[in-house]
Amino acid sequence: DAGITQSPRHKVTETGTPVTLRCHQTENHRYMYWYRQDPGHGLRLIHYSYGVKDTDKGEVSDGYSVSRSKTEDFLLTLESATSSQTSVYFCAISESGGFGQPQHFGDGTRLSIL
Amino acid sequence: EDQVTQSPEALRLQEGESSSLNCSYTVSGLRGLFWYRQDPGKGPEFLFTLYSAGEEKEKERLKATLTKKESFLHITAPKPEDSATYLCAVQDKIYNQGGKLIFGQGTELSVKP
Repeated sequence: DAGITQSPRHKVTETGTPVTLRCHQTENHRYMYWYRQDPGHGLRLIHYSYGVKDTDKGEVSDGYSVSRSKTEDFLLTLESATSSQTSVYFCAISESGGFGQPQHFGDGTRLSIL
Repeated sequence: EDQVTQSPEALRLQEGESSSLNCSYTVSGLRGLFWYRQDPGKGPEFLFTLYSAGEEKEKERLKATLTKKESFLHITAPKPEDSATYLCAVQDKIYNQGGKLIFGQGTELSVKP
């Protein structure tokens, strides 16, 4: 199994509060991704990173920011959480990004915003 | 616009009853098509990558095939432990950076003993 740890695994918080989710990898892979998974929408890309301090937006990036100060850690921040951000969040890693390489996923963070 | 459609949404089989799952896709140029398995409460687990039409990959009771417009995941003589949601995703050549994946909504497979 790919060495990916997401924390916390579950979180309940209130609307308007800041929330940070952490993804930690032990594979030394260059590419890291944040997805959200919702019924009826499947997995959708929020942001990704192609190196330390190098990040870019995905298809559903509004309301989210990311940071990557070390190869092994990729943080996802909801600056002011809204109920529409209730979801399951998955981190993924890839050795070489594009060029047909698979992404490997962590076990997710279930986030509920009341 | 890239699009991935999986069918059926749910499939119930008896143990030993072979069947196929479908993934239809639309991309500018296919860099890769990926199959994943997802168990409840877990992240997607990588199964196969297919790169070009005519390619096939096998793993135990699973066999994935690819044409220019769709992929099939064939399940031969399934067992209850094959019960899971199967996800299909594509990577388009127009995305040179990052390797963005477009996912279908999945097929939920249930295999009864």
